Amino acid sequence: RKEVEQDPGPFNVPEGATVAFNCTYSNSASQSFFWYRQDCRKEPKLLMSVYSSGNEDGRFTAQLNRASQYISLLIRDSKLSDSATYLCVVMTTDSWGKFQFGAGTQVVVTP
Amino acid sequence: GAVVSQHPSRVICKSGTSVKIECRSLDFQATTMFWYRQFPKKSLMLMATSNEGSKATYEQGVEKDKFLINHASLTLSTLTVTSAHPEDSSFYICSARQTGGGSYEQYFGPGTRLTVT
Repeated sequence: RKEVEQDPGPFNVPEGATVAFNCTYSNSASQSFFWYRQDCRKEPKLLMSVYSSGNEDGRFTAQLNRASQYISLLIRDSKLSDSATYLCVVMTTDSWGKFQFGAGTQVVVTP
Repeated sequence: GAVVSQHPSRVICKSGTSVKIECRSLDFQATTMFWYRQFPKKSLMLMATSNEGSKATYEQGVEKDKFLINHASLTLSTLTVTSAHPEDSSFYICSARQTGGGSYEQYFGPGTRLTVT
């Protein structure tokens, strides 16, 4: 079983719509969680950290469910520029800050 | 802030030669840098953790004599792919974590696309 699992998608989303997807992790000792976005043939860019109480950054909302060991990302009012692969990242403090990456969820926003 | 540069962005080399990739944190100090490789449509795979002033820590299955890492200063880490072969062709990405501050966020360089012919 992979340590971090994501639905690869693609999620085809009409412009202006809302899309949400989850990421599950297997290590209950995981302490820090992030969402990164990666455009085709580019490096990952930090989208947002995920806090225990959930957090929002503009049109993006992240949630953490420790009991069920998953995090989620919701994108409201999707823009064409939101088309990308969204990488779920999990870190355990016993791994010296190493990141475990999911394989990514592809989102395609269509006009 | 939190800018990481990587050089070169693209390199084509012949089989058997060595290639050095540089990773620099431009506006912050990074005690720890990470080296990843990524194959098309696959997740980033951590190769090694680079610690300033000490030996790098390699992930299982990564040959330390083939992928030489040097982290000589708080803003520079280098990865040298020695005796490159076509199977080493990949997208190599470094990341840096800011020293202090209590944050575990990693900032990524733009990557180096290596093609070995």
